[in-house]
Amino acid sequence: DTGVSQDPRHKITKRGQNVTFRCDPISEHNRLYWYRQTLGQGPEFLTYFQNEAQLEKSRLLSDRFSAERPKGSFSTLEIQRTEQGDSAMYLCASSFGHDPSTDTQYFGPGTRLTVL
Amino acid sequence: KQEVTQIPAALSVPEGENLVLNCSFTDSAIYNLQWFRQDPGKGLTSLLLIQSSQREQTSGRLNASLDKSSGRSTLYIAASQPGDSATYLCAAPPGGGSQGNLIFGKGTKLSVKP
Repeated sequence: DTGVSQDPRHKITKRGQNVTFRCDPISEHNRLYWYRQTLGQGPEFLTYFQNEAQLEKSRLLSDRFSAERPKGSFSTLEIQRTEQGDSAMYLCASSFGHDPSTDTQYFGPGTRLTVL
Repeated sequence: KQEVTQIPAALSVPEGENLVLNCSFTDSAIYNLQWFRQDPGKGLTSLLLIQSSQREQTSGRLNASLDKSSGRSTLYIAASQPGDSATYLCAAPPGGGSQGNLIFGKGTKLSVKP
């Protein structure tokens, strides 16, 4: 399978704990995106990388959230001191990013976070 | 600021019917628009991408149109099947000619009854 992969698929944690999610993009895709989706809503943008550089962060990404893409390949999203409001599906996507008009984003299966 | 709206929020049709899902966006300075399918509890599957220079894009029983001047896109599904039941999402770039992240609508939940 050469699609976008995410790990873990499900995470249950207690309020106040830290969690980390991993995303492996499609090989040779230089752009990687993180989105968050709550029930009944469309995905909301969190942040994206071009290679290892983090180019944009949403206002949704509070100080408790941090994302890295150290070698321009896989990425991690860490949430510190989790709150119940962080419960959501966290989606990762990747794209080539070379031609804006044809830049299709391909999504992974998501990590569902439940904060008790 | 780009805003994407999808109507209706939910749609139920009998098997075999042709149907149209609607998407509207506020900033027409976009490079493309994408349609996705999402099954319950799953990630998103890309269905079609329409470039800003195109008016239509087809894949099998799916046809997507784009009218930038009116800020609208439609997804036409021909001869619907129960397996088409899912939530369909449209997404556009932020507008203003920028690339990068996608702005999503809330989706249309489609139910095709046998």
